[in-house]
Amino acid sequence: AQRVTQPEKLLSVFKGAPVELKCNYSYSGSPELFWYVQYSRQRLQLLLRHISRESIKGFTADLNKGETSFHLKKPFAQEEDSAMYYCALRDAGNMLTFGGGTRLMVKP
Amino acid sequence: EAGVAQSPRYKIIEKRQSVAFWCNPISGHATLYWYQQILGQGPKLLIQFQNNGVVDDSQLPKDRFSAERLKGVDSTLKIQPAKLEDSAVYLCASTPGGRGGLSTDTQYFGPGTRLTVL
Repeated sequence: AQRVTQPEKLLSVFKGAPVELKCNYSYSGSPELFWYVQYSRQRLQLLLRHISRESIKGFTADLNKGETSFHLKKPFAQEEDSAMYYCALRDAGNMLTFGGGTRLMVKP
Repeated sequence: EAGVAQSPRYKIIEKRQSVAFWCNPISGHATLYWYQQILGQGPKLLIQFQNNGVVDDSQLPKDRFSAERLKGVDSTLKIQPAKLEDSAVYLCASTPGGRGGLSTDTQYFGPGTRLTVL
């Protein structure tokens, strides 16, 4: 069975500092990875997916199959980035397995 | 476009009571999901519907949980009887495609129902 691990429950950085939220996965097939974000008092929403290879709100994530990782990065954190971030893996049946989440706090 | 709707937003019950949650997916979305999110954890899939059929319910505790999507649109999730460990946020999500849906299908989430079992 697939598994997604986010080793940090909380990550606290100052505004302007670089951010890296870690995500590791295990899956026997070809993985499709996502990052979801939940801002305070808002619903869970898609941030980015690895197949798009895009940058959203300054965030990027690269799938590293050798290290089975999909870390989320941003060079300069902003206060509005404070939120819960969830890494997720989608299997062939279109079902998502989520990690436990990392709370990002960006201090002024 | 209206998003996924869920009700109620909050529910407090005592253990051994019954409770039901309702979800209205985005119009035209064929696939509907129910997740359970316990405090401090990520969402865990309970059941997936495609139209009015169950695709996967392997993680649904069937001795107490049931779900239906009779007309392939709205869905209800029921717990009977509830236990303390059922306290969680129950999330509903939907996607446009069917089981073999597009790899670009995004899951759109509702606001969730927060259940507290005392």
